[in-house]
Amino acid sequence: DAGVIQSPRHEVTEMGQEVTLRCKPISGHNSLFWYRQTMMRGLELLIYFNNNVPIDDSGMPEDRFSAKMPNASFSTLKIQPSEPRDSAVYFCACLSEGEGNGELFFGEGSRLTVL
Amino acid sequence: AQTVTQSQPEMSVQEAETVTLSCTYDTSESDYYLFWYKQPPSRQMILVIRQEAYKQQNATENRFSVNFQKAAKSFSLKISDSQLGDAAMYFCAYRDLLDSGYALNFGKGTSLLVTP
Repeated sequence: DAGVIQSPRHEVTEMGQEVTLRCKPISGHNSLFWYRQTMMRGLELLIYFNNNVPIDDSGMPEDRFSAKMPNASFSTLKIQPSEPRDSAVYFCACLSEGEGNGELFFGEGSRLTVL
Repeated sequence: AQTVTQSQPEMSVQEAETVTLSCTYDTSESDYYLFWYKQPPSRQMILVIRQEAYKQQNATENRFSVNFQKAAKSFSLKISDSQLGDAAMYFCAYRDLLDSGYALNFGKGTSLLVTP
């Protein structure tokens, strides 16, 4: 398996623009997570899906952030409009609940810079 | 949400020596998982070791081992015979099955420098 695939790897945009980050989880892994990593706040959970249904979005910072999982093989995290304080690395991760051991598999992250 | 604390922002170790990274956590649960993840400069998050709270025996993976003290809520990582490739950020993480489903709560990380 190719692992968790995220795109883009790097994104530089200007304040006010819309940003869409994409994630393809490992096939068969039915839980998907979006994390944000910054120096100040570390790794923060933004939202968590189980079987394509959002379970916990309490970490989504504001209405400018939205996430979707239209099917088991694809998820998006959208920021509209983007602001400089959204600059961070955004990770997508997944796991298979059937495994029972709880290991999260991470993508390589999308580094977002908002100017 | 459960908090995970890593009190050492940075640590340094000489090649071939042993280093211990500290982690404490706060929970009222009795059953949970604890993890150490490694993040090298490539940004990839890599699982180093995992411990189930119901197991008294400390987990070991080659040169990596943990000291799990459930009563003290402490979960330290020991790296033996340190290698240059061990240089990375190390994150301690906690997970239970009740409050956050399968999500992990991470500490702020410890940056490990390995010197020749």
